[in-house]
Amino acid sequence: AQKVTQAQTEISVVEKEDVTLDCVYETRDTTYYLFWYKQPPSGELVFLIRRNSFDEQNEISGRYSWNFQKSTSSFNFTITASQVVDSAVYFCALSEAGSNYQLIWGAGTKLIIKP
Amino acid sequence: DGGITQSPKYLFRKEGQNVTLSCEQNLNHDAMYWYRQDPGQGLRLIYYSQIVNDFQKGDIAEGYSVSREKKESFPLTVTSAQKNPTAFYLCASSTRLAGGLTDTQYFGPGTRLTVL
Repeated sequence: AQKVTQAQTEISVVEKEDVTLDCVYETRDTTYYLFWYKQPPSGELVFLIRRNSFDEQNEISGRYSWNFQKSTSSFNFTITASQVVDSAVYFCALSEAGSNYQLIWGAGTKLIIKP
Repeated sequence: DGGITQSPKYLFRKEGQNVTLSCEQNLNHDAMYWYRQDPGQGLRLIYYSQIVNDFQKGDIAEGYSVSREKKESFPLTVTSAQKNPTAFYLCASSTRLAGGLTDTQYFGPGTRLTVL
């Protein structure tokens, strides 16, 4: 069973639209971390955010915001006023005690921003 | 500047040859990781190391080998036993946490390996 589900394989929007990337996770641990990474066409993974399970505050960083909801086991990522440079593959990942020092990765969502 | 370097950026190998991919970090991280990514796919863990002179197999270790003799370095050898090695290889490092948890992993720029 998938522990980190990114159901949206590909999303395509026009520049300046808002877009939300979904991430649903599954864990029995009370202590865990959730991450988002961006992979632009160059290939290098860029760390965006880490959230620990005890901090449900939403986070905003410029045009990026994250909504962490333990009640629905979701950690969604919203880009406001999208730009062409936001085009990339975005990965959600989970670290839990049971994962033996490994990250559990979602399959990724390919985001295409059209000019 | 602190970071992770991988070399070479592009690597071409003939079938039957072993090849070693370099990964160096100056972030003073204890933990290091190797991932493989096939076109249009996600990340799969090959090997990881939490401390010098110790490493564990990931999900797809067959046909690969690693060493961790220095904290800064975690080279990956793709052996001739790896049947389909053409892929994008990413190295990462992180601080070491307790209890099975993983801290933020920071990635190098990757190496694209092509078998001719």
